[in-house]
Amino acid sequence: SQQGEEDPQALSIQEGENATMNCSYKTSINNLQWYRQNSGRGLVHLILIRSNEREKHSGRLRVTLDTSKKSSSLLITASRAADTASYFCATESNYQLIWGAGTKLIIKP
Amino acid sequence: NAGVTQTPKFQVLKTGQSMTLQCAQDMNHEYMSWYRQDPGMGLRLIHYSVGAGITDQGEVPNGYNVSRSTTEDFPLRLLSAAPSQTSVYFCASSYLRTLGGPDEQFFGPGTRLTVL
Repeated sequence: SQQGEEDPQALSIQEGENATMNCSYKTSINNLQWYRQNSGRGLVHLILIRSNEREKHSGRLRVTLDTSKKSSSLLITASRAADTASYFCATESNYQLIWGAGTKLIIKP
Repeated sequence: NAGVTQTPKFQVLKTGQSMTLQCAQDMNHEYMSWYRQDPGMGLRLIHYSVGAGITDQGEVPNGYNVSRSTTEDFPLRLLSAAPSQTSVYFCASSYLRTLGGPDEQFFGPGTRLTVL
C-alpha cells in the first residue's frame, strides 16, 4: 500500500498562477521529499524537508510540513509552461521511501 | 560524472524467461534502490541496499533478486518473468544521512520492460 496520497490527482492552471498540491501520509517519518517527473522519465528531486522542520523554500518552490496532521504541501509560484509535469511526494522511514500516486500538473499558456 | 546509468532502456521478454537489469552509479553513494512504476501510479520499492554486501526487501520484492557486490553496481534479477512484471523500472542512489536513512535520490532514466 502507498504511504503518501497526493491531492488533487490532476491540476490545470494558467501560466503565471500559483499551483498548490498536497500530500498526506499515515505513519511517522524521518523526512518527506518532493520530486518532479516529466513524461515517464526519471524523477528529479525538488526539496527534502525533515520531520523537525515546518517550512522550506527553494526558488519558486515552498514546502510545508505538519507532522501533527501528517500532511505536506508543495506550492509553485508564478508557474511556467516548463512546470508541466507529475509531482510526487515520498516519505522516508526505516531506510525506505514510500511514494504517493502523484499530482499531474498542466500549465496552460 | 555519468550519474546513475541503467541498461537496457527497453526489453521484451516471454513469460518464464529470466533477465538482469543493470544499474550503476559513479557518485560513491552508499544507498541504492530499485522501483517499479505502473501507469498512473507512484513508485513502489522492490529492494534496497545500504552498502556493499547488504540488501533488504521493499514493498514488492516477490519475483525479484538483487545483489550488491560493489558500491557502484546494483543489478536486479527477474527470476521467471510474468506479465504482471510489465512495468517501468527505475534505479536510484543517494548518500545516507548522518543519522541514517537515504537522502536526496538520484534516478536513472529507467528500463521499460514488457513481458508477453
